[in-house]
Amino acid sequence: EIVMTQSPATLSVSPGERATLSCRASQSIRSNLAWYQQRPGQAPRLLIYRASNRATGIPARFSGSESGTEFTLTISSLQSEDFAVYYCQQYNDWPRTFGQGTKVEIK
Amino acid sequence: EEQLVESGGGLVQPGRSLRLSCTASGFTFRDYSLTWVRQAPGKGPEWISFIRNKVYGMTTEYAASVKGRFTISRDDSKSIAYLQMNSLKIEDTGIYYCTRDGILGGDDCWGQGTLVTVSS
Repeated sequence: EIVMTQSPATLSVSPGERATLSCRASQSIRSNLAWYQQRPGQAPRLLIYRASNRATGIPARFSGSESGTEFTLTISSLQSEDFAVYYCQQYNDWPRTFGQGTKVEIK
Repeated sequence: EEQLVESGGGLVQPGRSLRLSCTASGFTFRDYSLTWVRQAPGKGPEWISFIRNKVYGMTTEYAASVKGRFTISRDDSKSIAYLQMNSLKIEDTGIYYCTRDGILGGDDCWGQGTLVTVSS
């Protein structure tokens, strides 16, 4: 099973600042990685697929990148609605696995 | 509007069974593969099951935690997917989400979830 490790567990950021979230895969997943946002009481929402492609309707302030087995989600200028929990997920191999999440909170 | 709506959750005793349904609308259901993801209270999502579309034989995948106890199926004529859950355990408690497997990657449509509570 591929283990996805996210860091940090919690990120305290002021509105308008940049947030950088990391996700590391225990083995190669090529670019088969997705990022999701989950607000309290809501289902997760797809932000990024194929490591760096924004899903439909996702603002340009969200971007994804990769370097080998290291993946990064960047939120360029945090808005109030961006304070949430973010999960990465690999879909390269079965079982599909999620990271444990990064909570982005208001500083 | 593309939509998935789960139903069938509830309170059930350990060892009993439950069947969840996922009703789709607003898109061509038969073209897509589907997934069930669950989330225990205060925890992250856990992928548990997947069913391919008819083109790929409606074949299935399961997480080790549910294999042999849960069965995923679909009825394309009704645009419904099912998750039959047998021999339920306390650790199966959580919100169960139905998702659509995006053509380009990732789960691009999620239902609102249905709560399953396994308790005596």
